[in-house]
Amino acid sequence: GAGVSQSPSNKVTEKGKDVELRCDPISGHTALYWYRQSLGQGLEFLIYFQGNSAPDKSGLPSDRFSAERTGGSVSTLTIQRTQQEDSAVYLCASSLAPIGGGGGDEQYFGPGTRLTVT
Amino acid sequence: RKEVEQDPGPFNVPEGATVAFNCTYSNSASQSFFWYRQDCRKEPKLLMSVYSSGNEDGRFTAQLNRASQYISLLIRDSKLSDSATYLCVVNKAGNQFYFGTGTSLTVIP
Repeated sequence: GAGVSQSPSNKVTEKGKDVELRCDPISGHTALYWYRQSLGQGLEFLIYFQGNSAPDKSGLPSDRFSAERTGGSVSTLTIQRTQQEDSAVYLCASSLAPIGGGGGDEQYFGPGTRLTVT
Repeated sequence: RKEVEQDPGPFNVPEGATVAFNCTYSNSASQSFFWYRQDCRKEPKLLMSVYSSGNEDGRFTAQLNRASQYISLLIRDSKLSDSATYLCVVNKAGNQFYFGTGTSLTVIP
């Protein structure tokens, strides 16, 4: 079946511009995560959505970052007034169930959006 | 202390060798454990979930030791295609998954 999709695959933007990244999770997956990965680094958690619950925004690095998930499906990550340190690969993942060790919480990743801020 | 720690390697092993990676985690209340592989400039792909009883999938065996707070991944009969970075992932009690920085494996012909 269809996996997680993300768009755009690459985005080059000038410092100070706003960008919007999109994620389409696997159909039926209730949990959605955003991460970012800088070159040669590990994944950094940004935000987590679970069903209709309030999102866990504790990983967002600044108030320039925000995310929405409309209708429990598609999510957009918005970065306002981009800075050069925002350059990274932004990865979205979804899972069938929320975390809890009961199975179904394996995350499946999209191909990512490579953001370059010049 | 980091939530999840892995030996970054690199591990360079010949084809056919057996190689093992360990990963330690700091939160004893962690509930879910996984191994992912990540190829260069690609997204992480789920390799195995790690169950308390240990589990095996072909040449891959994963084990969990809750008392010592570590998980392991054993790869037998290494193939060239196993070359990748292996990520240890732990769910801390709460909504967040923590990823190790990865262990680099290169299988040499």
